[in-house]
Amino acid sequence: EDKVVQSPLSLVVHEGDTVTLNCSYEVTNFRSLLWYKQEKKAPTFLFMLTSSGIEKKSGRLSSILDKKELFSILNITATQTGDSAVYLCAVERGNTGNQFYFGTGTSLTVIP
Amino acid sequence: NAGVTQTPKFRVLKTGQSMTLLCAQDMNHEYMYWYRQDPGMGLRLIHYSVGEGTTAKGEVPDGYNVSRLKKQNFLLGLESAAPSQTSVYFCASSYVGLKKEQFFGPGTRLTVL
Repeated sequence: EDKVVQSPLSLVVHEGDTVTLNCSYEVTNFRSLLWYKQEKKAPTFLFMLTSSGIEKKSGRLSSILDKKELFSILNITATQTGDSAVYLCAVERGNTGNQFYFGTGTSLTVIP
Repeated sequence: NAGVTQTPKFRVLKTGQSMTLLCAQDMNHEYMYWYRQDPGMGLRLIHYSVGEGTTAKGEVPDGYNVSRLKKQNFLLGLESAAPSQTSVYFCASSYVGLKKEQFFGPGTRLTVL
């Protein structure tokens, strides 16, 4: 059975801390892994990863994929209160027209 | 551009009533999706469409039907609502090919009493 597991479920940190969010997966015919940020409403796209070992970066956020060990991590450095959100990992299953399986998310709270 | 829009934003139904949720996108995307999001469950795919006139079942299709008569619209129907269908429903759309990012609508909060 295909599954995507994120950890931790929730996290509370102080501004300036660095956090690492984890996403492990078991999906048939893996094609890609995407990270999204969900504040109060709709998820918004952060990164797409398809190849192992290549880090994607955007400002203080970065992500990397390990296709051998079947996981990805999302790092946020120098956290700010605006980083407070639920971070979702989604894994694409091949041959199904961009069909994605989502994890339950990690809820991050950044305290001033 | 409006992106992805959903109507209505909120709805309360009684058990057994029917309703249709409308999703519209103005980005000329081929693919469209309906998800539901429940506490502790993440986003689960209900149905999706890879083009006008085609639909397919996702992870949790039971109790729902969909139609994609026009490329820009994707309708989700509940024929006989049940309390288990209380959820937040998100529509999303995406391009075909290597750009797999999904653009989400603002969501519809549905309560079935």
